[in-house]
Amino acid sequence: NAGVTQTPKFQVLKTGQSMTLQCAQDMNHEYMSWYRQDPGMGLRLIHYSVGAGITDQGEVPNGYNVSRSTTEDFPLRLLSAAPSQTSVYFCASSFGVGNEQYFGPGTRLTVT
Amino acid sequence: DAKTTQPTSMDCAEGRAANLPCNHSTISGNEYVYWYRQIHSQGPQYIIHGLKNNETNEMASLIITEDRKSSTLILPHATLRDTAVYYCIVRVRGNAGNMLTFGGGTRLMVKP
Repeated sequence: NAGVTQTPKFQVLKTGQSMTLQCAQDMNHEYMSWYRQDPGMGLRLIHYSVGAGITDQGEVPNGYNVSRSTTEDFPLRLLSAAPSQTSVYFCASSFGVGNEQYFGPGTRLTVT
Repeated sequence: DAKTTQPTSMDCAEGRAANLPCNHSTISGNEYVYWYRQIHSQGPQYIIHGLKNNETNEMASLIITEDRKSSTLILPHATLRDTAVYYCIVRVRGNAGNMLTFGGGTRLMVKP
């Protein structure tokens, strides 16, 4: 199993650009989520999904969209990048809702 | 979810046991104790969880006091690769929307 994979590893965007961060898991997990981690801080939940076709907002959803068309994939879209979105983004998945989560390696995003 | 208190940092000699404490005096009866760690620049890694009984897996042991107000994560033979920030989290299993709240954690430094 590859586990949770994320692409790209690094990305630099200009203010106002849009992009999609990719996340995929091959463990047949129902639950997937996106977090951001700012320097020296803990993780903050952006969006989550309890299954294909179902998504919901977390703690900091503004400026981000998600969709879940398959069990395996959970992309995160930045609609119009802002410097405040400079962060490290982690995708995670778990077998059941609210159970122990498995994280991807992260995407380091810089918005200038 | 209940609040946790952990020491900011700890040192441990390589090969010795690392004992990381966590206080969670307001834990509710249905809240589990979870431990994750984050090695520099990587995604968080699930270690272990428990409700009231002591638990052991290939990575660590978790000792929970009888009143469940505190717990200790034990890495029996710490190696340099165990240097990381360790997070103690208490939460209800199966709770989707209020996902993992990572506080400050304990920065464990394993020294040769």
